Amino acid sequence: GIQVEQSPPDLILQEGANSTLRCNFSDSVNNLQWFHQNPWGQLINLFYIPSGTKQNGRLSATTVATERYSLLYISSSQTTDSGVYFCAVLNAGKSTFGDGTTLTVKP
Amino acid sequence: ETGVTQSPTHLIKTRGQQVTLRCSSQSGHNTVSWYQQALGQGPQFIFQYYREEENGRGNFPPRFSGLQFPNYSSELNVNALELDDSALYLCASSLDGGVEQYFGPGTRLTVT
Repeated sequence: GIQVEQSPPDLILQEGANSTLRCNFSDSVNNLQWFHQNPWGQLINLFYIPSGTKQNGRLSATTVATERYSLLYISSSQTTDSGVYFCAVLNAGKSTFGDGTTLTVKP
Repeated sequence: ETGVTQSPTHLIKTRGQQVTLRCSSQSGHNTVSWYQQALGQGPQFIFQYYREEENGRGNFPPRFSGLQFPNYSSELNVNALELDDSALYLCASSLDGGVEQYFGPGTRLTVT
């Protein structure tokens, strides 16, 4: 099946810093989503982005489907951005998640 | 618009027992997918139901089964519980096969 790799696994930032999270996938996909999982386990949709670039406030994402990767950018990070960020891809009717990037933003 | 809901929130079962978890999809959605998330890992796809039929399945044994009802709500049933079944169980709803998924808050299952 398709492999999804996220990097880095852990990231510690000072409040106000910028960061880039990466998601690589091993095969062509029908879609890609980025999620933020809060400490209570709720997965929050950030972006549905099978290709191209989208922005939502301090967050933006870019997917280059032909090169099989997606990037999530977080600018001017805040402590509330802490948590685990997942990318998930849909291929042949099956969703596959990466293992996530755990982001800690320190005040 | 009503979001995805799951019940119960927490559950403790004994090895060998059976459990049923429930999920109500977001209004207007006809597809429900179930995931198992072990501690420190990403969610693992169990199966998907689309218009009351199983539409895809991950690498889970047959003791994991499901149902989808005419109102598109869904149940996940797990028989003969094992200790390794302890996890957060998430359901997600979407329209027409899961293009963009919306997740419920999850059910945390502990098997002792």
